[in-house]
Amino acid sequence: DGGITQSPKYLFRKEGQNVTLSCEQNLNHDAMYWYRQDPGQGLRLIYYSQIVNDFQKGDIAEGYSVSREKKESFPLTVTSAQKNPTAFYLCASRAGTSVADTQYFGPGTRLTVL
Amino acid sequence: GENVEQHPSTLSVQEGDSAVIKCTYSDSASNYFPWYKQELGKGPQLIIDIRSNVGEKKDQRIAVTLNKTAKHFSLHITETQPEDSAVYFCAAKNSGYSTLTFGKGTMLLVSP
Repeated sequence: DGGITQSPKYLFRKEGQNVTLSCEQNLNHDAMYWYRQDPGQGLRLIYYSQIVNDFQKGDIAEGYSVSREKKESFPLTVTSAQKNPTAFYLCASRAGTSVADTQYFGPGTRLTVL
Repeated sequence: GENVEQHPSTLSVQEGDSAVIKCTYSDSASNYFPWYKQELGKGPQLIIDIRSNVGEKKDQRIAVTLNKTAKHFSLHITETQPEDSAVYFCAAKNSGYSTLTFGKGTMLLVSP
C-alpha cells in the first residue's frame, strides 16, 4: 500500500447522510484518484486531481464530491444523492511526471449504508 | 473512450501449472498497460507493467506480452503457487489523459 492511507477501513452510515472518506499520501505525488469497486464491476473512476485546487470528474461522479486543498490529501464525500453508495472505495496516487504513469493504491474503505 | 475487456473472469489451476489472463483494448493510442493483484479486502498492488514500445517484459515468474497490432496484452504466471490466488486486473492508460481504464478482473484460484 506504500505511503497511501485511507481511513476508516470500515464505515457505516444511515441512508440520507453524507459521509467523507479520507485519503492521505506521503509520496509527494501530484495526482490522486478515487475509484469505486463493486463485485464483478472492476474499478470505476469517480474523480481525479492532477494538481492542488483542481480536479476532474471521472466516469461515475454523480452523487460524489471532492476537494484538493493540500497536495497530500484528497477527501471524497459521498452525498445523499448517490443512490447506491454501499461499495469498496479505493484511493490512488501517481507521481505526475510525463513518464510516471503508475498508480499506487491505498488499502480501501468499505462503506455500508444501512 | 477506452474499453478494456478481460478474460477469463475466473481461472482455476493446480499448483505448479501456468496461468494466462488476456485483455483487449480499443484505443490504439494507449501506450501503458499495468497489471494489478488484489487480495481479499485489500487495495490492488502493481505486479508488472509494460509500455507500447516493448513487446514483452518478465519479472521472475511473471511476464506480460503486448501485441499492439491486435490490441491485446496478456499476463503469464508460471509455476503457480497457492499465494498467487487473488483477483488480477489489467488496465490501459487513456490517451491524452492521466487516467486508466480497468478490466473487470480475473479471480485466480491455485489449488495445492
